[in-house]
Amino acid sequence: GAVVSQHPSWVICKSGTSVKIECRSLDFQATTMFWYRQFPKQSLMLMATSNEGSKATYEQGVEKDKFLINHASLTLSTLTVTSAHPEDSSFYICSASEREPAYEQYFGPGTRLTVT
Amino acid sequence: AQTVTQSQPEMSVQEAETVTLSCTYDTSESDYYLFWYKQPPSRQMILVIRQEAYKQQNATENRFSVNFQKAAKSFSLKISDSQLGDAAMYFCAYPRAGNQFYFGTGTSLTVIP
Repeated sequence: GAVVSQHPSWVICKSGTSVKIECRSLDFQATTMFWYRQFPKQSLMLMATSNEGSKATYEQGVEKDKFLINHASLTLSTLTVTSAHPEDSSFYICSASEREPAYEQYFGPGTRLTVT
Repeated sequence: AQTVTQSQPEMSVQEAETVTLSCTYDTSESDYYLFWYKQPPSRQMILVIRQEAYKQQNATENRFSVNFQKAAKSFSLKISDSQLGDAAMYFCAYPRAGNQFYFGTGTSLTVIP
């Protein structure tokens, strides 16, 4: 089956610094990648959608300058949390789909970000 | 607006028994897909089952089956012979235009030994 990896799985950073999270599709080409944020015991909240080689589309209320998304290739998307603050602490999940319409999304294992 | 509703925040089931998780959705489309995903304590999202709306036959995957009522816009998940490993959060999902998923709020399933 299709596999999506995320790195790192857990990161701790100091307030004011930036942190990058990588999402890779290991055995397929992802035409579209998605980034979600999930708070404890809550559902997944879509942050942005990215297509290879084009700018990401952000959901309403998501700060584009804080959450920088780059979909550099058909197998790699990155999320950079800039000038992180404690309120950015959360679980971030990426997913990928290989064709439209979406038959399904393949999810990465998630990254736990803690900002101190 | 297209939304997905899961009205059961928590459910419990005895091991080996059957449990049904509810999901309703709203859409104006005629052809679409619906999904159930499982999120165990590891937090890895795992596809449980997929239903194609134009197929009248309910999808089945081993112990997991759905009751798809298109007219009622209902998509419930039945888990038979529940096992301890079924304990997880279950999310119903509907893909909108652009492949973006609407997720329900989730149902936390506890399996009692």
